[in-house]
Amino acid sequence: GQQLNQSPQSMFIQEGEDVSMNCTSSSIFNTWLWYKQDPGEGPVLLIALYKAGELTSNGRLTAQFGITRKDSFLNISASIPSDVGIYFCAGQETSNTGNQFYFGTGTSLTVIP
Amino acid sequence: DAGITQSPRHKVTETGTPVTLRCHQTENHRYMYWYRQDPGHGLRLIHYSYGVKDTDKGEVSDGYSVSRSKTEDFLLTLESATSSQTSVYFCASRKVGDEQYFGPGTRLTVT
Repeated sequence: GQQLNQSPQSMFIQEGEDVSMNCTSSSIFNTWLWYKQDPGEGPVLLIALYKAGELTSNGRLTAQFGITRKDSFLNISASIPSDVGIYFCAGQETSNTGNQFYFGTGTSLTVIP
Repeated sequence: DAGITQSPRHKVTETGTPVTLRCHQTENHRYMYWYRQDPGHGLRLIHYSYGVKDTDKGEVSDGYSVSRSKTEDFLLTLESATSSQTSVYFCASRKVGDEQYFGPGTRLTVT
């Protein structure tokens, strides 16, 4: 299967600091997605990116679809305690039976008040 | 929120027993997916469905089968559970052109 390398694996930051995480792939994707997962719950979509070079914001979150279509990053500005969780990147490829999604291994974020 | 529910939410079973997990969605989504989530691996696709009675394998399909007899239900079956199948299982669904929405997960322990 596809390999998505997500880094860093974990981050411990002070409240108010900015956060940056990224994801790289050995393959090209048509879409990049970023999810957040809280303990005991399923992942929730934060941002979807559909075009190479696209830069999209959602509140304090900003994500970009890399020009090569093999990478993406997510930035969180002015972190707050509720940003704590695990963040996953995902790449979507299209096949003749539909779309498959491949996920990174996650970045665990801890925000220290 | 795509109205996705999973049942059961927790299950403990013995090695060698059959297990069926159910995913139910109320949004008339065409596509449905089963993933497993394990530490260090993120989410890995087991099987997915692109319509009623239409399914295909994902990257970790060995030991699992699925069925989709109705749009709203997608069943995952472990024919003979093994300890390596202890995991958290997530179902997801989506409509054409939209993104995936995930269920709350099922924690399965095989002893």
